[in-house]
Amino acid sequence: GENVEQHPSTLSVQEGDSAVIKCTYSDSASNYFPWYKQELGKRPQLIIDIRSNVGEKKDQRIAVTLNKTAKHFSLHITETQPEDSAVYFCAASTRGTYKYIFGTGTRLKVLA
Amino acid sequence: GAVVSQHPSRVICKSGTSVKIECRSLDFQATTMFWYRQFPKQSLMLMATSNEGSKATYEQGVEKDKFLINHASLTLSTLTVTSAHPEDSSFYICSASDRDGNEKLFFGSGTQLSVL
Repeated sequence: GENVEQHPSTLSVQEGDSAVIKCTYSDSASNYFPWYKQELGKRPQLIIDIRSNVGEKKDQRIAVTLNKTAKHFSLHITETQPEDSAVYFCAASTRGTYKYIFGTGTRLKVLA
Repeated sequence: GAVVSQHPSRVICKSGTSVKIECRSLDFQATTMFWYRQFPKQSLMLMATSNEGSKATYEQGVEKDKFLINHASLTLSTLTVTSAHPEDSSFYICSASDRDGNEKLFFGSGTQLSVL
């Protein structure tokens, strides 16, 4: 089955700096890759997603890149703000299954 | 966007009792719902896929007799933790898709289960 690895597990950055979180997946059939932000005790919130027919997607300060050949995808947050502090999860799924396999999570701390 | 409601948000129970968690799709029909478990500071682990009108599909290592899933209607799935023990204490969260082709899952607000 699918296995998703995520690095780093924790990340501290100064406010205004960029943060990068990386994920790798094992199943070449996976073709949908969402990123979620989760605050303590709350539901995960979708922040950006990418499909396998696209190499990069950007939404304001957030961008995601996908390398299908290497089976890895990355989340980029620019101009980080304290409110970006949370746990971020990547996930992978195969089109039409809606069965997400999540990465292990990255605890991002933005220092003011 | 699609809304998924989950209740209760928090439950404390004694060891040996059973706890039922409800997951409802409020503005769409969900033929499939997913149940995840999340231990403190860990990832969301898929427990099972709940299929309306049929048996749930459980992930490897998840005891189907302990975690009973019922998906009797297109808008409701329930997870019952039977004979709960302290090691079952966790954050349980459901999700569903409106299957409009966008691949998105909508998550419930989660249930924090504490077994004493």
